[in-house]
Amino acid sequence: QVQLVQSGAEVKKPGASVKVSCKASGYTFTSYYMHWVRQAPGQGLEWMGIINPSGGSTSYAQKFQGRVTMTRDTSTSTVYMELSSLRSEDTAVYYCARAKSSYGMDVWGQGTTVTVSS
Amino acid sequence: DIQMTQSPSSLSASVGDRVTITCRASQGISNSLAWYQQKPGKAPKLLLYAASRLESGVPSRFSGSGSGTDYTLTISSLQPEDFATYYCQQYYSTPSLTFGGGTKVEIK
Repeated sequence: QVQLVQSGAEVKKPGASVKVSCKASGYTFTSYYMHWVRQAPGQGLEWMGIINPSGGSTSYAQKFQGRVTMTRDTSTSTVYMELSSLRSEDTAVYYCARAKSSYGMDVWGQGTTVTVSS
Repeated sequence: DIQMTQSPSSLSASVGDRVTITCRASQGISNSLAWYQQKPGKAPKLLLYAASRLESGVPSRFSGSGSGTDYTLTISSLQPEDFATYYCQQYYSTPSLTFGGGTKVEIK
């Protein structure tokens, strides 16, 4: 079955970086773009960016430009999201989600909790 | 950026009720709208896309409509498993996407 499995929870200090992984299975990895979305505690959903697993091209939300890097490893069908210069406001659950063509996101990972605290 | 405004932010309803949630875009989005359902501690689930197209496996009590800047999600007869938070999301400005603020549907 189609599945996205994310890496485990992280606790980071302010100023550090975090790298979250998302391993895809059950479909052709390079055929679907992948989004990253985050959700702060008790808040709504926030789109961070998208990566094309085929060529590696990316597009980031303006808010995260310069702090986020999305990469992929086609040999392991895994995408990565790295966020740098972490601050307390980055405490959130981070999701990867497969793009349903250009229509939205049809398959989601289970989420990775990132806590930023001194 | 296109802003998405959902209303109401929360509502209370009973099983069997008809529920309508509204999403307004800051500019026309030509039906480039998806709806998601999220339950506590879980990832969102895609319900509809292209404003009115039901995702595979989603019950037919969910429907969507609208055009231009104004869109609605309707649950024709609310079921116990439908109590959740619902989000709209525009993809007109793809790859840049934006979500609405969410509508929490609670039990009356």
